[in-house]
Amino acid sequence: RKEVEQDPGPFNVPEGATVAFNCTYSNSASQSFFWYRQDCRKEPKLLMSVYSSGNEDGRFTAQLNRASQYISLLIRDSKLSDSATYLCVVPMAGGSYIPTFGRGTSLIVHP
Amino acid sequence: NAGVTQTPKFQVLKTGQSMTLQCAQDMNHNSMYWYRQDPGMGLRLIYYSASEGTTDKGEVPNGYNVSRLNKREFSLRLESAAPSQTSVYFCASRRLAGVVDTQYFGPGTRLTVL
Repeated sequence: RKEVEQDPGPFNVPEGATVAFNCTYSNSASQSFFWYRQDCRKEPKLLMSVYSSGNEDGRFTAQLNRASQYISLLIRDSKLSDSATYLCVVPMAGGSYIPTFGRGTSLIVHP
Repeated sequence: NAGVTQTPKFQVLKTGQSMTLQCAQDMNHNSMYWYRQDPGMGLRLIYYSASEGTTDKGEVPNGYNVSRLNKREFSLRLESAAPSQTSVYFCASRRLAGVVDTQYFGPGTRLTVL
């Protein structure tokens, strides 16, 4: 099993839709989780951090399910500008901070 | 405040040539990272430096060397480039302050090895 797995998509949704992505991770000892956004041919940028059960920021909600070892990202009222690749990042537990990235989930929001 | 800068932005090499990718950050962060990103793949960690004077291998270190020249700069060297090293290379630094834990990425270097 890969350490961090994501459905690559693409998820193709109309403006205004609600869409959710999941990310599963293998290391049950991991304590922190992140969602990064990457626009085409650009660098990734932090979207949200998840430390406990969840986090909400405007239209974006991230949730953590430790029992099933996955995190989710929910986007409500999708905008055209939300079109991007969403990367799940799970630092491996241990002495050094070694972030492991999922392959990303592609979202396309159309008019 | 430039954040994380990388040079060059684009580079074409022939097999066997060497080059150094430069990365600098002006945010006084201790930790810095080098990743490569290939089509359809996530970012894979090549090397990282937890603090000035230390470097460690990541997931895919073969064919690369690094130098943490000082707190600001972390360079990646390809001694003998191979076509398999064609990729986009991202440098990042990490801010850790209380509950704030963020990686800041440079704009990337697009490398083609012929």
